[in-house]
Amino acid sequence: GENVEQHPSTLSVQEGDSAVIKCTYSDSASNYFPWYKQELGKGPQLIIDIRSNVGEKKDQRIAVTLNKTAKHFSLHITETQPEDSAVYFCAASTTSYDKVIFGPGTSLSVIP
Amino acid sequence: DGGITQSPKYLFRKEGQNVTLSCEQNLNHDAMYWYRQDPGQGLRLIYYSQIVNDFQKGDIAEGYSVSREKKESFPLTVTSAQKNPTAFYLCASTTSGGVKEQFFGPGTRLTVL
Repeated sequence: GENVEQHPSTLSVQEGDSAVIKCTYSDSASNYFPWYKQELGKGPQLIIDIRSNVGEKKDQRIAVTLNKTAKHFSLHITETQPEDSAVYFCAASTTSYDKVIFGPGTSLSVIP
Repeated sequence: DGGITQSPKYLFRKEGQNVTLSCEQNLNHDAMYWYRQDPGQGLRLIYYSQIVNDFQKGDIAEGYSVSREKKESFPLTVTSAQKNPTAFYLCASTTSGGVKEQFFGPGTRLTVL
């Protein structure tokens, strides 16, 4: 069935450095790829998303890239800050499929 | 102010009791979902509903039940048949048509005493 893999499972970076989280998906029909940030004890928040007709999207310090041929997509956070520490989930979905498929999550720690 | 609300935020239950978690949305979304999250783990789909009066089992439906009598509401009942119900429960809803932008509620933490 549909599957989304996510790496790494944990990531520690120094404040100010960049962080990269990578995901791969199995369903070639997937056309929407959101990223969520989950702080401790809270629900996941949608932080950025990308659609299949776009290769890259940027929003301030956050960017996502998509390689449809390789079925890869990545989240890039530049100039990391302690408040970026959280669990990040990637996901994939298709127009015709009821569910959103989530990756297992990456726990990001930004060390001051 | 549109969004998804879940209540209560914390819930304690004795073994053998059923308990119902509330989820309400005013986003006019057709689809609603329930996920379970265990500590340090990802999201596992319990049940989802694409339309009023219809719902489907997710990956871990055993021991849970749902209803969808209104578009805005999708309550989840954790029954006594659920062997390990202590977890963080998340409700979500999804935009209708086209790509499915999914939004989450703040969650309910259920603890079985």
